[in-house]
Amino acid sequence: GAGVSQSPSNKVTEKGKDVELRCDPISGHTALYWYRQSLGQGLEFLIYFQGNSAPDKSGLPSDRFSAERTGGSVSTLTIQRTQQEDSAVYLCASSPLTGVDYGYTFGSGTRLTVV
Amino acid sequence: GENVEQHPSTLSVQEGDSAVIKCTYSDSASNYFPWYKQELGKRPQLIIDIRSNVGEKKDQRIAVTLNKTAKHFSLHITETQPEDSAVYFCSGSSNTGKLIFGQGTTLQVKP
Repeated sequence: GAGVSQSPSNKVTEKGKDVELRCDPISGHTALYWYRQSLGQGLEFLIYFQGNSAPDKSGLPSDRFSAERTGGSVSTLTIQRTQQEDSAVYLCASSPLTGVDYGYTFGSGTRLTVV
Repeated sequence: GENVEQHPSTLSVQEGDSAVIKCTYSDSASNYFPWYKQELGKRPQLIIDIRSNVGEKKDQRIAVTLNKTAKHFSLHITETQPEDSAVYFCSGSSNTGKLIFGQGTTLQVKP
């Protein structure tokens, strides 16, 4: 596609429910990243996929968070048993090879509100 | 470990003045340094980048400088305009294949 697409753009969920956030990267981009941005805060790294390599999960804040990337394209970030502190904007980014070479193109994000 | 420090956290300038944002990094292997601009409610967008084999790069009113010895890099915006108001993030590459971001600088340009 022309850009990185994320859905839904907004999600309101009740505490304790599971949510799935979707990211469709730019076609041909092999690297995909998930970041979290709380209100007025910086970019918190969550997870990184590069081709067929094992993902770098070092930023996931708890075992309630998981992500997968199917067929080297679309990625889904799943948050189980959501908590209020999970409320944030979840940003996905993709890069042609790795961010160390070309930088990221970000999606518009999913604003998650846990009530 | 990998770390990028960014200063100042907030910056207010008068329209037409210059703005400078500074970053330092810890990983001596870092060799790519992109800057992102995030307007309120929007996605971060790449505005300029610099690689370690270059000391300075300019694109119209914005320029970046890099001092590899000191592990410093800076963003310079000249003739600031109200539409430059945004949050700016510096970043540096890491050997783990991802960018390490600074904490962000909120720039306000007063008309």
